[in-house]
Amino acid sequence: QVHLVQSGAEVKKPGASVKVSCKASGYTFTSYHIHWVRQAPGLGLQWMGMINPGLNSTNYAQKFQGRVTLTTDTSTTTVYMELSSLRSDDTAVYFCARQTMAVWGQGTTVIVSS
Amino acid sequence: DIVMTQSPDSLAVSLGERATINCKSGQSLLYSSNNKNYLAWFQQKPGQPPKLLIYWASIRESGVPDRFSGSGSGTDFTLTISSLQAEDVAVYYCHQYYTTPRTFGQGTKVEIK
Repeated sequence: QVHLVQSGAEVKKPGASVKVSCKASGYTFTSYHIHWVRQAPGLGLQWMGMINPGLNSTNYAQKFQGRVTLTTDTSTTTVYMELSSLRSDDTAVYFCARQTMAVWGQGTTVIVSS
Repeated sequence: DIVMTQSPDSLAVSLGERATINCKSGQSLLYSSNNKNYLAWFQQKPGQPPKLLIYWASIRESGVPDRFSGSGSGTDFTLTISSLQAEDVAVYYCHQYYTTPRTFGQGTKVEIK
């Protein structure tokens, strides 16, 4: 069975960075790209970018360009999303989702507060 | 970026009645080479990740009840719940995967009247 399991909640100060993990299981890791989508409290879904673990290629939304970095570790079938220079409006639930978005992680809450 | 606009923002429907959600994209999502519309619908309940309901504008994901249907082409799409059940209370999002950046509609909240 295909699963994406994300790391736990984080509380960060403004200006810091956060790194969220998404561990994949139940399928060939390098055959499907992974998206990252975030959702601020009470708001809608915002696509941040995606990574192809097989090619290690990335595609980022312009809004996050320069602040977000997606990486993979094929040995542990894990994808990482690092967001830097955090601001209060980065407070959100961050989701990973497999290629067609039929499978999602459970979400990771990131709170940015001084 | 392709702007996705849903209507209405919220909808209250009696149990067993039809619910209709519209989604309009800022440009056509129909790829001429394969005649497919790159449009999906998601359902999201509080505290849960989104759930894929429909892809290619009208194909139900495995396990999704047949009271959910999608239609439309080009720039105008519709999600219909033919007979609303209590468990369908949720926020529904349309999503285009025609190009990056991927974009979502703002969401439509469906409640019981």
